[in-house]
Amino acid sequence: AQSVTQLDSQVPVFEEAPVELRCNYSSSVSVYLFWYVQYPNQGLQLLLKYLSGSTLVESINGFEAEFNKSQTSFHLRKPSVHISDTAEYFCAVASTGNTGKLIFGQGTTLQVKP
Amino acid sequence: DAGVIQSPRHEVTEMGQEVTLRCKPISGHDYLFWYRQTMMRGLELLIYFNNNVPIDDSGMPEDRFSAKMPNASFSTLKIQPSEPRDSAVYFCASTTSSSYEQYFGPGTRLTVT
Repeated sequence: AQSVTQLDSQVPVFEEAPVELRCNYSSSVSVYLFWYVQYPNQGLQLLLKYLSGSTLVESINGFEAEFNKSQTSFHLRKPSVHISDTAEYFCAVASTGNTGKLIFGQGTTLQVKP
Repeated sequence: DAGVIQSPRHEVTEMGQEVTLRCKPISGHDYLFWYRQTMMRGLELLIYFNNNVPIDDSGMPEDRFSAKMPNASFSTLKIQPSEPRDSAVYFCASTTSSSYEQYFGPGTRLTVT
């Protein structure tokens, strides 16, 4: 069975400071990894994904995540956050042999303060 | 494409009433998922379909919940009878068999009084 653990339920940070949202997963098979973002009163949107290739993946709005197989982690980072990054962030995993289904973490609320 | 469409966006009903939530997936997507989101339990997968066939309904909380997908462009989630603990935001998502990226709808906020 697979599982995803997001280690922080809330992360408060000041604007322009760096941030890291932590995600660890458990799986006995190869996985694909995702970060989704949910802005208030909206559905989830894909932020970035790791399927294969380079272990460092980036989003268009400055976030990046690194797949670390040995530590079974996929932490999300941004060097300088904006007020508009305030949202809930979900880490998710899919096994390569189980098409379609994602296992989501509990979510981390990023609160960016001015 | 218009994305995943859900209706209604908000539903307020009294305990005991039947509630039907609707979803139109993105055209060409052959997987459809129903999720429930609450503060207490987070995001839960209720059921998912592949080519209109239910694949895994182990997340459906009890017999009061049922889901159908009569064709590739429409799915419903029904709660009968509804209870206050069913209050949540219900999301529908879709994807293709060649992609793991799920596209979410805007959700239906259900309040059962």
